[in-house]
Amino acid sequence: RKEVEQDPGPFNVPEGATVAFNCTYSNSASQSFFWYRQDCRKEPKLLMSVYSSGNEDGRFTAQLNRASQYISLLIRDSKLSDSATYLCVVNDNYGQNFVFGPGTRLSVLP
Amino acid sequence: EAQVTQNPRYLITVTGKKLTVTCSQNMNHEYMSWYRQDPGLGLRQIYYSMNVEVTDKGDVPEGYKVSRKEKRNFPLILESPSPNQTSLYFCASRRTSGNTDTQYFGPGTRLTVL
Repeated sequence: RKEVEQDPGPFNVPEGATVAFNCTYSNSASQSFFWYRQDCRKEPKLLMSVYSSGNEDGRFTAQLNRASQYISLLIRDSKLSDSATYLCVVNDNYGQNFVFGPGTRLSVLP
Repeated sequence: EAQVTQNPRYLITVTGKKLTVTCSQNMNHEYMSWYRQDPGLGLRQIYYSMNVEVTDKGDVPEGYKVSRKEKRNFPLILESPSPNQTSLYFCASRRTSGNTDTQYFGPGTRLTVL
């Protein structure tokens, strides 16, 4: 079983749609959680950290459920520029070792 | 400009020919890391370094070496490359401050081993 699993995708949605990404992790001792965004042929960039209480940044909302070992990312009012691959990332080993999910590709269509 | 640089960006080599991919950051970060990215597998951590002269294995260290003699540089060494090391490699440095924990990635090095 993979340590971090994500929806396989791809997700093709129209502009303005709301889209949700799911991620599960296997290590219950994981310390911290993130969503990164990766554009085609580019390096990953931090989108947002995920806190236990849930957090929101503009159109993006991230939630963490430690009991279910589940992380989510919600994008509201999606834009063409949101088209990218979204990577779920979990921090293990007392914060030193990062485990990335395989990513879910999103295409926002005009 | 704060950045992580990698060189070379593209490299085609042959099996067994030693190579080094350089990584440098100008943000004075203590933590640096190397990843490889393969289709369907996502990014996998090869090695990381918490500070100068401190390195540790990630999930896929076999066939790789690293060194951290100074804070800004973290080269990745392939002593005897093999075709299964054909991949896209990313170096990253990490900033942790209060509630902030961010990895900054270099632009990537696409390596092909024939």
